Amino acid sequence: AQKITQTQPGMFVQEKEAVTLDCTYDTSDPSYGLFWYKQPSSGEMIFLIYQGSYDQQNATEGRYSLNFQKARKSANLVISASQLGDSAMYFCAMRPPGSNQFYFGTGTSLTVIP
Amino acid sequence: ETGVTQSPTHLIKTRGQQVTLRCSSQSGHNTVSWYQQALGQGPQFIFQYYREEENGRGNFPPRFSGLQFPNYSSELNVNALELDDSALYLCASSLRSSGGKETQYFGPGTRLLVL
Repeated sequence: AQKITQTQPGMFVQEKEAVTLDCTYDTSDPSYGLFWYKQPSSGEMIFLIYQGSYDQQNATEGRYSLNFQKARKSANLVISASQLGDSAMYFCAMRPPGSNQFYFGTGTSLTVIP
Repeated sequence: ETGVTQSPTHLIKTRGQQVTLRCSSQSGHNTVSWYQQALGQGPQFIFQYYREEENGRGNFPPRFSGLQFPNYSSELNVNALELDDSALYLCASSLRSSGGKETQYFGPGTRLLVL
């Protein structure tokens, strides 16, 4: 069974600072995709970044980067230069190969402090 | 914005009633997935539709059913509503591809309250 664990229910970060949101996963498949989504209070899930299990380099998308450590089965999201608009819930998700569904963690609530 | 739309945005029903939620997928996408997100939880996969057929189902009872139309839009139907069905229902569209990089793009969701 696939499992995603996000151990930080809530995080605070000062504006303009960097923050790391933790995500660990459990799978026996060698090939899988890892995703991070942002969910503001409006409810819409916004895709942020993708990491494939065979990708040689850590994924980056603007201020978002993924610290992927395959041996530790972790895929932490790093947000640099935090902005007030980054305040939201953040979900880590995994899509196993040959599967149609995404498995989501329980999320981390990020609050950016001015 | 993703181009994925859902209707209605909010809905209040009573226990035992039936509900239909609608989703229009992003242009060019052929796959629609539905998720249920209870308060304080991550989304849980209900099922997925690809080319008008159910193509994978999560741990939800048969009273959760769906349809996909030729234009790839989709409906989620829930019969015999229970109080625990109160949740945010999210629709996600994607373009079917090989490998694990198929990214799902979500709509704004429908908030269902069952009284």
